[in-house]
Amino acid sequence: QVHLQESGPGLVKPSQTLSLTCTLSGDSISSGGYYWNWVRQRPGKGLEWIGFIYKTGSTYANPSLKSRLSISVDTSKNQFSLTLRSMTAADTAVYYCARGVGGYYAGVWTYFYDYWGQGTLVTVSS
Amino acid sequence: EILLTQSPGTLSLSPGERATLSCRASQYISSTYLAWYQQKPGQAPRLLIYGASTRATAIPDRFSGSGSGTDFTLTISRLEPEDFAVYYCQQYDDSPPSYTFGQGTKLEIK
Repeated sequence: QVHLQESGPGLVKPSQTLSLTCTLSGDSISSGGYYWNWVRQRPGKGLEWIGFIYKTGSTYANPSLKSRLSISVDTSKNQFSLTLRSMTAADTAVYYCARGVGGYYAGVWTYFYDYWGQGTLVTVSS
Repeated sequence: EILLTQSPGTLSLSPGERATLSCRASQYISSTYLAWYQQKPGQAPRLLIYGASTRATAIPDRFSGSGSGTDFTLTISRLEPEDFAVYYCQQYDDSPPSYTFGQGTKLEIK
Protein backbone atom coordinates (compact mmCIF):
# COMPACT_ATOMS: atom_id res chain seq x y z
CA GLN A 1 0.00 0.00 0.00
CA VAL A 2 1.41 3.36 -1.04
CA HIS A 3 1.88 5.81 1.81
CA LEU A 4 3.24 9.36 1.82
CA GLN A 5 4.33 11.14 4.98
CA GLU A 6 5.36 14.78 5.28
CA SER A 7 7.88 15.86 7.91
CA GLY A 8 9.35 19.18 8.91
CA PRO A 9 9.01 22.08 11.33
CA GLY A 10 5.57 23.23 12.38
CA LEU A 11 6.78 26.76 13.06
CA VAL A 12 9.01 28.98 10.93
CA LYS A 13 10.01 32.58 11.60
CA PRO A 14 9.38 35.25 8.98
CA SER A 15 12.17 35.56 6.40
CA GLN A 16 13.46 32.09 7.23
CA THR A 17 13.54 29.04 4.96
CA LEU A 18 11.08 26.17 5.15
CA SER A 19 12.31 22.65 4.46
CA LEU A 20 9.84 19.80 4.21
CA THR A 21 10.42 16.17 3.29
CA CYS A 22 7.97 13.64 1.95
CA THR A 23 8.83 9.99 2.55
CA LEU A 24 7.31 7.36 0.30
CA SER A 25 6.61 3.81 1.44
CA GLY A 26 5.04 0.94 -0.44
CA ASP A 27 6.57 1.99 -3.73
CA SER A 28 9.83 3.35 -5.15
CA ILE A 29 10.27 6.90 -6.38
CA SER A 30 12.57 5.47 -9.04
CA SER A 31 9.89 3.23 -10.53
CA GLY A 32 7.05 4.17 -12.80
CA GLY A 33 6.10 7.39 -14.53
CA TYR A 34 4.99 9.32 -11.48
CA TYR A 35 5.35 12.99 -10.64
CA TRP A 36 6.04 13.93 -7.04
CA ASN A 37 4.03 16.98 -6.03
CA TRP A 38 3.68 19.56 -3.33
CA VAL A 39 0.31 21.24 -2.70
CA ARG A 40 -0.66 23.66 0.05
CA GLN A 41 -3.87 24.89 1.60
CA ARG A 42 -4.00 28.15 3.51
CA PRO A 43 -6.35 28.14 6.52
CA GLY A 44 -9.94 28.04 5.34
CA LYS A 45 -8.91 28.29 1.68
CA GLY A 46 -8.61 26.07 -1.35
CA LEU A 47 -5.82 23.95 -2.76
CA GLU A 48 -2.78 25.55 -4.37
CA TRP A 49 -0.32 23.61 -6.51
CA ILE A 50 3.27 24.40 -5.48
CA GLY A 51 5.33 22.29 -7.85
CA PHE A 52 6.50 18.83 -8.78
CA ILE A 53 9.61 16.82 -9.52
CA TYR A 54 10.09 13.82 -11.74
CA LYS A 55 12.41 10.95 -10.85
CA THR A 56 14.95 12.34 -13.32
CA GLY A 57 15.16 15.53 -11.28
CA SER A 58 13.19 17.74 -13.67
CA THR A 59 11.13 20.23 -11.72
CA TYR A 60 8.22 22.56 -12.46
CA ALA A 61 6.91 25.21 -10.12
CA ASN A 62 3.95 27.48 -9.69
CA PRO A 63 5.05 30.79 -11.26
CA SER A 64 3.95 32.65 -8.12
CA LEU A 65 6.44 30.65 -6.02
CA LYS A 66 9.14 29.81 -8.53
CA SER A 67 11.65 32.42 -7.38
CA ARG A 68 11.60 31.11 -3.79
CA LEU A 69 11.12 27.40 -4.40
CA SER A 70 13.39 24.40 -4.78
CA ILE A 71 12.27 20.79 -5.05
CA SER A 72 14.68 17.88 -4.90
CA VAL A 73 14.52 14.11 -4.86
CA ASP A 74 16.64 11.54 -3.02
CA THR A 75 15.93 8.17 -4.61
CA SER A 76 18.24 6.36 -2.16
CA LYS A 77 16.03 7.47 0.73
CA ASN A 78 12.79 7.28 -1.26
CA GLN A 79 12.13 10.91 -0.41
CA PHE A 80 11.50 14.19 -2.09
CA SER A 81 11.82 17.60 -0.49
CA LEU A 82 10.59 21.17 -0.69
CA THR A 83 12.56 24.28 0.19
CA LEU A 84 10.73 27.60 0.31
CA ARG A 85 12.78 30.68 1.07
CA SER A 86 11.85 34.06 2.55
CA MET A 87 8.76 32.79 4.32
CA THR A 88 6.01 35.22 5.28
CA ALA A 89 2.71 34.92 7.11
CA ALA A 90 1.05 34.37 3.74
CA ASP A 91 2.89 31.04 3.52
CA THR A 92 1.12 29.71 6.61
CA ALA A 93 -0.68 26.62 5.35
CA VAL A 94 -1.09 22.88 5.47
CA TYR A 95 1.47 21.45 3.09
CA TYR A 96 0.66 18.18 1.32
CA CYS A 97 2.79 15.90 -0.77
CA ALA A 98 1.04 13.84 -3.43
CA ARG A 99 1.87 11.27 -6.07
CA GLY A 100 0.93 12.39 -9.54
CA VAL A 101 0.00 9.92 -12.23
CA GLY A 102 1.06 11.27 -15.58
CA GLY A 103 0.80 9.62 -18.93
CA TYR A 104 -0.91 6.58 -20.32
CA TYR A 105 -3.10 5.06 -17.61
CA ALA A 106 -5.89 2.52 -18.04
CA GLY A 107 -6.18 3.33 -21.71
CA VAL A 108 -6.19 7.10 -21.31
CA TRP A 109 -3.45 9.76 -21.46
CA THR A 110 -4.22 11.51 -18.21
CA TYR A 111 -2.93 13.32 -15.15
CA PHE A 112 -4.20 13.22 -11.58
CA TYR A 113 -3.09 12.65 -7.99
CA ASP A 114 -3.81 9.18 -6.65
CA TYR A 115 -2.13 9.29 -3.23
CA TRP A 116 -1.73 12.16 -0.77
CA GLY A 117 0.11 12.56 2.49
CA GLN A 118 -1.90 13.53 5.55
CA GLY A 119 -0.53 17.07 5.41
CA THR A 120 1.56 19.09 7.82
CA LEU A 121 0.65 22.51 9.20
CA VAL A 122 3.36 25.12 8.87
CA THR A 123 2.86 28.38 10.72
CA VAL A 124 4.97 31.43 9.97
CA SER A 125 5.28 33.56 13.08
CA SER A 126 7.93 35.25 15.15
CA GLU B 1 -2.59 30.29 -17.27
CA ILE B 2 -5.83 28.34 -17.26
CA LEU B 3 -8.24 29.24 -14.48
CA LEU B 4 -10.93 26.93 -13.14
CA THR B 5 -14.11 28.43 -11.71
CA GLN B 6 -16.37 26.21 -9.65
CA SER B 7 -20.02 26.90 -8.97
CA PRO B 8 -21.88 27.22 -6.79
CA GLY B 9 -19.57 28.18 -3.96
CA THR B 10 -21.88 26.45 -1.50
CA LEU B 11 -24.62 23.94 -2.24
CA SER B 12 -27.18 23.10 0.45
CA LEU B 13 -29.02 19.84 -0.11
CA SER B 14 -30.58 17.01 1.85
CA PRO B 15 -29.54 13.34 1.93
CA GLY B 16 -31.15 11.47 -0.95
CA GLU B 17 -31.13 14.50 -3.25
CA ARG B 18 -29.09 14.91 -6.41
CA ALA B 19 -26.07 17.22 -6.43
CA THR B 20 -24.69 18.89 -9.54
CA LEU B 21 -21.36 20.70 -9.25
CA SER B 22 -19.86 22.74 -12.06
CA CYS B 23 -16.26 23.43 -13.07
CA ARG B 24 -15.63 25.89 -15.89
CA ALA B 25 -12.21 26.44 -17.47
CA SER B 26 -11.07 29.80 -18.82
CA GLN B 27 -10.01 28.07 -22.04
CA TYR B 28 -10.26 24.69 -23.68
CA ILE B 29 -8.73 21.79 -21.75
CA SER B 30 -8.46 18.16 -22.66
CA SER B 31 -11.10 16.20 -20.80
CA THR B 32 -8.54 13.53 -19.98
CA TYR B 33 -6.65 16.13 -17.94
CA LEU B 34 -9.58 16.97 -15.62
CA ALA B 35 -9.97 15.38 -12.18
CA TRP B 36 -12.28 15.79 -9.18
CA TYR B 37 -11.40 15.43 -5.49
CA GLN B 38 -13.37 15.30 -2.27
CA GLN B 39 -12.00 16.80 0.93
CA LYS B 40 -13.45 16.40 4.40
CA PRO B 41 -12.40 18.58 7.36
CA GLY B 42 -8.96 17.75 8.67
CA GLN B 43 -8.28 15.26 5.88
CA ALA B 44 -6.29 15.21 2.70
CA PRO B 45 -8.22 15.34 -0.57
CA ARG B 46 -9.34 12.05 -2.07
CA LEU B 47 -9.46 11.32 -5.78
CA LEU B 48 -12.98 10.72 -7.07
CA ILE B 49 -12.84 11.10 -10.84
CA TYR B 50 -10.04 11.32 -13.41
CA GLY B 51 -10.17 11.83 -17.13
CA ALA B 52 -13.36 13.87 -16.50
CA SER B 53 -15.54 10.76 -16.24
CA THR B 54 -13.64 7.73 -14.92
CA ARG B 55 -14.28 6.82 -11.30
CA ALA B 56 -11.22 6.10 -9.20
CA THR B 57 -10.85 2.80 -7.40
CA ALA B 58 -13.51 2.13 -4.75
CA ILE B 59 -15.53 5.25 -5.56
CA PRO B 60 -19.27 4.50 -5.42
CA ASP B 61 -21.20 4.66 -8.67
CA ARG B 62 -23.42 7.44 -7.35
CA PHE B 63 -20.49 9.71 -8.29
CA SER B 64 -20.21 10.53 -11.97
CA GLY B 65 -18.32 13.05 -14.04
CA SER B 66 -19.02 14.50 -17.43
CA GLY B 67 -18.14 17.36 -19.72
CA SER B 68 -15.68 18.50 -22.32
CA GLY B 69 -14.01 21.61 -23.65
CA THR B 70 -14.49 24.22 -20.95
CA ASP B 71 -17.48 22.88 -18.99
CA PHE B 72 -17.33 19.93 -16.63
CA THR B 73 -19.77 18.53 -14.11
CA LEU B 74 -19.59 16.28 -11.08
CA THR B 75 -22.90 14.66 -10.23
CA ILE B 76 -23.79 12.79 -7.06
CA SER B 77 -27.00 10.95 -7.84
CA ARG B 78 -28.33 10.35 -4.32
CA LEU B 79 -26.52 12.07 -1.49
CA GLU B 80 -25.37 10.00 1.45
CA PRO B 81 -24.49 11.64 4.79
CA GLU B 82 -20.77 11.02 4.16
CA ASP B 83 -20.86 12.97 0.88
CA PHE B 84 -21.12 16.34 2.56
CA ALA B 85 -17.67 17.81 2.02
CA VAL B 86 -15.75 20.21 -0.21
CA TYR B 87 -15.17 19.24 -3.83
CA TYR B 88 -12.35 20.48 -6.06
CA CYS B 89 -11.73 20.14 -9.75
CA GLN B 90 -8.16 20.07 -11.04
CA GLN B 91 -6.63 20.39 -14.47
CA TYR B 92 -3.19 19.69 -15.89
CA ASP B 93 -1.60 21.95 -18.47
CA ASP B 94 1.10 20.69 -20.80
CA SER B 95 2.75 23.98 -21.58
CA PRO B 96 4.36 24.68 -19.27
CA PRO B 97 3.66 21.61 -17.13
CA SER B 98 1.48 22.76 -14.25
CA TYR B 99 -1.67 22.01 -12.31
CA THR B 100 -4.55 24.26 -11.33
CA PHE B 101 -7.33 23.69 -8.84
CA GLY B 102 -10.74 25.27 -8.77
CA GLN B 103 -11.65 27.22 -5.65
CA GLY B 104 -13.93 24.45 -4.42
CA THR B 105 -17.64 23.84 -3.85
CA LYS B 106 -18.82 23.19 -0.32
CA LEU B 107 -21.65 20.69 -0.20
CA GLU B 108 -23.53 21.15 3.06
CA ILE B 109 -26.52 19.51 4.67
CA LYS B 110 -29.70 21.50 4.31
